[in-house]
Amino acid sequence: QQPVQSPQAVILREGEDAVINCSSSKALYSVHWYRQKHGEAPVFLMILLKGGEQKGHEKISASFNEKKQQSSLYLTASQLSYSGTYFCGTVNTGFQKLVFGTGTRLLVSP
Amino acid sequence: DAMVIQNPRYQVTQFGKPVTLSCSQTLNHNVMYWYQQKSSQAPKLLFHYYDKDFNNEADTPDNFQSRRPNTSFCFLDIRSPGLGDAAMYLCATSTGTSSTNEKLFFGSGTQLSVL
Repeated sequence: QQPVQSPQAVILREGEDAVINCSSSKALYSVHWYRQKHGEAPVFLMILLKGGEQKGHEKISASFNEKKQQSSLYLTASQLSYSGTYFCGTVNTGFQKLVFGTGTRLLVSP
Repeated sequence: DAMVIQNPRYQVTQFGKPVTLSCSQTLNHNVMYWYQQKSSQAPKLLFHYYDKDFNNEADTPDNFQSRRPNTSFCFLDIRSPGLGDAAMYLCATSTGTSSTNEKLFFGSGTQLSVL
C-alpha cells in the first residue's frame, strides 16, 4: 500500500516553515525521506528507524510515530534550494522493498 | 567516484519496438532496483534483484523483463513498448545488509519516449 502524504503541494516564501506528513495503513519498520528536483533522481535525506525517533539534516528534521504509523518532515527557515518534490518511503511489507509515498511538491519563492 | 550510471539519459523508441535500458554500478551493492516514474507521480517499484535472486512486483506487466548478468550491471527490457510506458526509469542500488535501514543510491534516470 502506497503511503499517503499531505499536503499535496505547498508554496512558501523564503524563510518560512513547513511540515509534510506521511501516513501508512500498515505497520512501519522504517521511514525514508527523499527530495527530487524536476528531471533529476531522488536524493536521500534521512532514515528513521524507531518509533519516536527524530533526526535532523541542516534545517530539515523529521519524526516517526510508530504507533500512529506516521512520519513528519519539518523544514525550518526554508531556502530556495528546498524547492522540489518530497517523497517519504516506507518499508513495511518485506525485505528490501521501499515503497514511495504520493509526494508533496514544495515551492519556495524569494 | 563510485556511482550508479544509467545509459542513455534519453531514449526514443517506436510503438512496439523492443528497447533495453542499462544500469551499471561501481558500489558493489548486492541489491539493484528498477523504478518507473511517470510525470507528477511517485517512483513505482517494478522489480529488484538481491544478488542473482529476481523479485518481481505483482503488478509489473509481463512486457517488462530484467537481466542481471553480474553484480555491476542490470538491464531493463521492454518487449513491446506502448504509449503508456513513456516514463522516467530509475535504477537504484543498496547494500542489502539490512532489510529496513538502507538508503537507496539512484542513477540519473533514463527518460523514455514512445512514438
